[in-house]
Formats: sequence, C-alpha cells, structure tokens
Amino acid sequence: EAQVTQNPRYLITVTGKKLTVTCSQNMNHEYMSWYRQDPGLGLRQIYYSMNVEVTDKGDVPEGYKVSRKEKRNFPLILESPSPNQTSLYFCASSFSLTGGAKYEQYFGPGTRLTVT
Amino acid sequence: AQSVAQPEDQVNVAEGNPLTVKCTYSVSGNPYLFWYVQYPNRGLQFLLKYITGDNLVKGSYGFEAEFNKSQTSFHLKKPSALVSDSALYFCAVRAVPRSNDYKLSFGAGTTVTVRA
Repeated sequence: EAQVTQNPRYLITVTGKKLTVTCSQNMNHEYMSWYRQDPGLGLRQIYYSMNVEVTDKGDVPEGYKVSRKEKRNFPLILESPSPNQTSLYFCASSFSLTGGAKYEQYFGPGTRLTVT
Repeated sequence: AQSVAQPEDQVNVAEGNPLTVKCTYSVSGNPYLFWYVQYPNRGLQFLLKYITGDNLVKGSYGFEAEFNKSQTSFHLKKPSALVSDSALYFCAVRAVPRSNDYKLSFGAGTTVTVRA
C-alpha cells in the first residue's frame, strides 16, 4: 500500500529535550515536506526537500532541522523543543521532477507533539 | 510572497443543498491551486487541482472547483452535499516555479458541517 508513515503519532516531552520525528514514504517520491498545523493558522510549511541531500526552508523553519540522506526518509529534528512548538505535525511527499510543482501531495497521519 | 485566504471559518449546509467553500489567492505569476480535505483525526487527502486549461476542474467525491484568474479565486463546490462531507477543507497554492522555490502555502481552513 502506498503510504507516508510518521512516528511517533503522539509525543509528550519537556522543554530542551532533543527529539526526532521520523517520516518515511514508499512511493519513490522525490519531494518531501514537513508542516505544522495550528488552530486558525492552517498548515504552515517548515522545511521541504526536492531530493536526496537537497533541502530548503519553508515559512516557519526556526527551531527545526531536517536531513535527507535517503530518498524515502525525511526526519524532523527539534534540537531544543520549546512550548511554542506544541502542534500537530504532518509529513508529506509527492513526485517532483520536471514540472513537479504541479503534483499533489500525500500526507502522513500526523504527529501530535506537546512540549511542557 | 504567496498567500491563500479562506474567508469563512465555518460553512453549514443542509444535506442535499449545494456546498461552496471559498478560496482566494495571491502569487507572483501563474498559480497551481489545490484543495485538500481533512477528516477528524486523519491526515489530509487530495481532492482536486488546477494546473492549466479548463477553468472548471472536477475531483474526488463529486467535488469541483472553478479557477477565476481575474478574481484570483478557486472556490470549491459540490451540487448536493452529504453528511459525510463534514470535514475541514484546505485550499493551497504554489506559484508556477521560475526558480527552485517549491513552497506550498495553505489557507487557514474551513470547517464544513452538513446537517441531516
């Protein structure tokens, strides 16, 4: 089954404790992206990756890191989480090669993060 | 900078009545436009997109949307709403890329409630 998986689905942590949210897709997509969803703000793009070893900032990258060492994986790293990073996080992927901006994205089920 | 506005936080309709969810956008140049739907406790699912060509696009579950360049709008419509259409709907836009900027911008979302 074609899918995007995220782990963990739920996470409660404390301020300053480094964490990683994993994302993996099995559709051989070049493009992957992370979003956060907050009430009244919709989805805001954190980082995206056009392909292996190619990443770029979205609209809200502060406090986050990403890496793309393999095509299928795109982990989101919070080096020192703070309470304002409490949110619902989604990973997504799509085709991207030539003309890739026109392709729809496939979303993971979401990770609900609470930072106390 | 690109942006999306969904002017209505909530839309309430009776089952069987027409459903419209509004979206306006702002981009430099031509847009790629998307609609996604989010059911409770689920990730986002793609509904339809406008890339080029016919201004009226048809998508999943009987939804359609009309691209209006002069009004910079991309309203989502369904002729006869079902209770199962109750969900959170997001409009998203990408500028047709002239560089390597593949950012995707989402609106804040519109909650649709269809009453029996």
